Amino acid sequence: GQNIDQPTEMTATEGAIVQINCTYQTSGFNGLFWYQQHAGEAPTFLSYNVLDGLEEKGRFSSFLSRSKGYSYLLLKELQMKDSASYLCAVRDSNYQLIWGAGTKLIIKP
Amino acid sequence: SQTIHQWPATLVQPVGSPLSLECTVEGTSNPNLYWYRQAAGRGLQLLFYSVGIGQISSEVPQNLSASRPQDRQFILSSKKLLLSDSGFYLCAWSAIPDRAYEQYFGPGTRLTVT
Repeated sequence: GQNIDQPTEMTATEGAIVQINCTYQTSGFNGLFWYQQHAGEAPTFLSYNVLDGLEEKGRFSSFLSRSKGYSYLLLKELQMKDSASYLCAVRDSNYQLIWGAGTKLIIKP
Repeated sequence: SQTIHQWPATLVQPVGSPLSLECTVEGTSNPNLYWYRQAAGRGLQLLFYSVGIGQISSEVPQNLSASRPQDRQFILSSKKLLLSDSGFYLCAWSAIPDRAYEQYFGPGTRLTVT
């Protein structure tokens, strides 16, 4: 079967750095996405990785290792507004998105 | 720019009642359209997707159905709701070809079946 694993919940301090991991086992791979979802709202797109390596976008970076079936989302200089769930999704060989359950990130002052 | 609308925002319906949720997209043509359901504290479950008018693919067996009567309109329906149909329903679109395009989500409908 297809599976995406992420930690259920993480806590970090305002101004610090946090890394959210995602491991996947899917039938084929055609890209990995990270989305941010604030409570009660729709997910919004953060990043896309299809090749190995690090993609940087301001305070957010996403890393991919296809051989290890592994990705992480790195958030720097954490702000209170970063409190949200972070969803990892993988596009499989049929170009369908397989979604993880999400990691709830709690930021403390 | 592209915009996706969903309504209603919240809905409380009794068990056994019908359901109709509507989603429309503006600013793009021939999008891929998706219906997802998200249970509390859970990931997104793909219910239906459509690559064109009248073309619907179902991902899970259920008492829900979907229709795409127009290019940018996607409707989720049920004849008789179950308690287990409660959840957060999200409509999304992506560009065609969607090989490398992210999905954009509507604001969602929170459905409570009582």
